[in-house]
Amino acid sequence: AQSVTQPDIHITVSEGASLELRCNYSYGATPYLFWYVQSPGQGLQLLLKYFSGDTLVQGIKGFEAEFKRSQSSFNLRKPSVHWSDAAEYFCAVGDAGNNRKLIWGLGTSLAVNP
Amino acid sequence: EAQVTQNPRYLITVTGKKLTVTCSQNMNHEYMSWYRQDPGLGLRQIYYSMNVEVTDKGDVPEGYKVSRKEKRNFPLILESPSPNQTSLYFCASSLQPGTLYEQYFGPGTRLTVT
Repeated sequence: AQSVTQPDIHITVSEGASLELRCNYSYGATPYLFWYVQSPGQGLQLLLKYFSGDTLVQGIKGFEAEFKRSQSSFNLRKPSVHWSDAAEYFCAVGDAGNNRKLIWGLGTSLAVNP
Repeated sequence: EAQVTQNPRYLITVTGKKLTVTCSQNMNHEYMSWYRQDPGLGLRQIYYSMNVEVTDKGDVPEGYKVSRKEKRNFPLILESPSPNQTSLYFCASSLQPGTLYEQYFGPGTRLTVT
């Protein structure tokens, strides 16, 4: 069965530092991959997605993610974190065999120190 | 403004008292879904709807009902709420059914059942 693992439950970085949030998936074929962000008190918002093609995808708010098939990973990165990036980040995999729902990771909570 | 709205945003109720959480989207989206979010468990899908009058169970449908009589609305009904349904609930919609499409989330409804 498909699954998504976000190994880091909680990460703290200093403002201006670089960020990498990890996401590993288990899926037989080429997956559809997503990163969503949940700011405090708000719903989730799509940051970026990967379906095919260039394995480095750019998203909103200065985020990017790289799909690495050999590592079954889709890590999210940002070169310089801002205090407003403090939020919960969710990785998700689209199930092509069941095209009706996403498989969600449990999320990574990001705190940003001033 | 394109959005998904949920009401109420906060609700405290007692065991067994029927309640409805409304969800409405103004984007003419076909697909709508309900999730609950619990600490350590991430997002779990309750029900989804591929289109008007088409609904199906997600991963945790027990204790919930939904209906989709019109395209824009997808209410979540708890006929006899219990304390284990205390959670943060999100409604989401997307243009088309299927995991290729970005999901738009409402702001969430925090439900407490005592």
